[in-house]
Amino acid sequence: ILNVEQSPQSLHVQEGDSTNFTCSFPSSNFYALHWYRWETAKSPEALFVMTLNGDEKKKGRISATLNTKEGYSYLYIKGSQPEDSATYLCAFPTGGGNKLTFGTGTQLKVEL
Amino acid sequence: DGGITQSPKYLFRKEGQNVTLSCEQNLNHDAMYWYRQDPGQGLRLIYYSQIVNDFQKGDIAEGYSVSREKKESFPLTVTSAQKNPTAFYLCASSPRTGGIATNEKLFFGSGTQLSVL
Repeated sequence: ILNVEQSPQSLHVQEGDSTNFTCSFPSSNFYALHWYRWETAKSPEALFVMTLNGDEKKKGRISATLNTKEGYSYLYIKGSQPEDSATYLCAFPTGGGNKLTFGTGTQLKVEL
Repeated sequence: DGGITQSPKYLFRKEGQNVTLSCEQNLNHDAMYWYRQDPGQGLRLIYYSQIVNDFQKGDIAEGYSVSREKKESFPLTVTSAQKNPTAFYLCASSPRTGGIATNEKLFFGSGTQLSVL
């Protein structure tokens, strides 16, 4: 099983703080890197699917970068809000690109 | 509304019993997946199917079985051989076989919490 590592495991920030977390993945046989947000009592939802080295994606206050050569991706949240509280998962296609292997996630709690 | 429907939301299994979790999608997606989540662990893949009448074992397939007789349905049976079945089970789908390796994302259902009585 190829490992996808995420850090930190959990994070508490104050409203308005900016924050970032890391996803590390094997740099060989790269296909794509996925980010998902999983809010409590809801289904996980895709944030980004990134395929190119140096790629940067943005969705509102959330952005992500990708370095395929060194095997990491950063997710940034600017000006965190309570509604950003969720578990953020990254995932990496394995099995010849036919299945996703997930990291353990970063649990973010944004406090007022 | 298109989406993935999982049922039931909560399920209780007695010792030695087989139980089946339902997953139906009306997104016309080719690929479907079953994941299991345990506290403190990431989502782990149980089984996946890229096309009707075909499926492959994931990383933790022991004690589980699946079928894919129809494109829209991918039920998961937790057999009595699964000694630690208590977990949250998520079903997912993606449009095309191998699409997740390009630019396609997974779509998830709302999950089933399975507990042992």
